[in-house]
Amino acid sequence: DILLTQSPLSLPVTPGEPASISCRSSQSLLHSNGYIFLDWYLQKPGQSPQLLIYLGSYRASGVPDRFSGSGSGTDFRLKISRVEAEDVGVYFCMQALQTPPSFGQGTKLEIK
Amino acid sequence: QVHLVESGGGVVQPGGSLRLSCVESGVSLRVSGMYWVRQTPDKGLEWVSFIRYDGSDKNYVDSVKGRFTISRDNSKNTLYLQMNSLRPEDTGVYYCAKVSIATVGPYFARWGQGILVTVSS
Repeated sequence: DILLTQSPLSLPVTPGEPASISCRSSQSLLHSNGYIFLDWYLQKPGQSPQLLIYLGSYRASGVPDRFSGSGSGTDFRLKISRVEAEDVGVYFCMQALQTPPSFGQGTKLEIK
Repeated sequence: QVHLVESGGGVVQPGGSLRLSCVESGVSLRVSGMYWVRQTPDKGLEWVSFIRYDGSDKNYVDSVKGRFTISRDNSKNTLYLQMNSLRPEDTGVYYCAKVSIATVGPYFARWGQGILVTVSS
């Protein structure tokens, strides 16, 4: 089974400042087709997870360009260039190279 | 707009049963694999069960094997999860999630809004 480890687990951020979340995988998430099978989600309070980034670095439709995903192999990062109040919630990474998928523990972003 | 809507959750005593349903409005479920994913305080997000688009293959996380049964009725665009012998550790929010049919893209095409299951005496 592929284990995903996120850090930090809690992330207080001042509005307008950048934020970064790490997701490390116990195995490479590079598929033979050349794509990284890692997705990032934001779960706002009381809501289901909403897709932010898929295949490691592709922004989902409607997601602001202040969100970006990067990484390769086993180390991945979600960056928010300038945090806004609406970005609060829990961020999850999820791998789908091996199914069933597995999830990181989540990183709770809060506004200072 | 296309939605996945879960129902059937609630409060049940340990050892009891519940049947969750998930209906997709507007689009046929029948070409997609479907998951039940739960979110618990102890384990966070974890997959619970998977069913192939035609029902020919089903998988379960070890902790629910022999207690939960996944099924689907494609004529009704509905996914089910029969949960028997419920335990307090089954408490959580249960989501149905639809696997994308795209060969390149996000793994899940859509998530439901979630339904709360509480197992408590």
